[in-house]
Amino acid sequence: DIQMTQSPSSLPASLGDRVTITCRASQDIGNYLRWFQQKPGKSPRLMIYGATNLANGVPSRFSGSRSGSDYSLTINSLESEDMAIYYCLQHNEYPFTFGSGTKLEIK
Amino acid sequence: QVQLKESGPGLVQPSQTLSLTCTVSGFSLTSYNVHWVRQPPGKGLEWMGVIWSGGNTDYNSALKPRLSISRDTSKSQVFLTMNSLQTEDTGIYYCNRNLGGWGQGVMVTVSS
Repeated sequence: DIQMTQSPSSLPASLGDRVTITCRASQDIGNYLRWFQQKPGKSPRLMIYGATNLANGVPSRFSGSRSGSDYSLTINSLESEDMAIYYCLQHNEYPFTFGSGTKLEIK
Repeated sequence: QVQLKESGPGLVQPSQTLSLTCTVSGFSLTSYNVHWVRQPPGKGLEWMGVIWSGGNTDYNSALKPRLSISRDTSKSQVFLTMNSLQTEDTGIYYCNRNLGGWGQGVMVTVSS
């Protein structure tokens, strides 16, 4: 199975900060990488697809990038509504696998 | 408006079979894929399997011996069946369309 190593597991940050979350794929997954946001008691919400494409309705302060096998989600100018857990997902090869999650919280 | 809604028993006895239904609206099951993902309490997400728009299925190999996904296109429903349930199968079960829009999830507790 493809392992998605996500870091950090916890990310304290201040409002207005720029933060980056990274997932490293154990094998080539091309751009078959998505990012999800999950708030307490809610279903995950698609934020980024195809590694770099913003999903419908997602604020432009979110962006995705790729460097080799490293995939990153960056949030510019952090807002209180961004506090959540973020997961990456590779869907290039079965079984599809999620990263372990990053909890973004107010410092 | 695209909607997905999971339903099923909240409590299942160990070693018994879980049956869940995902009822969709706003799109056709013959045009979109439906995935199942689960989440143990306080833990991360696990992809379980998918039924493709053409009706074929693929499963997480770790669950494949116990898992089956099917559908009734006339009722816009997708079904998940998993047997030999254990306590570690406790969690929230979600269906989603094309790894995009998700249902609200249904909590399943495996306990005697």
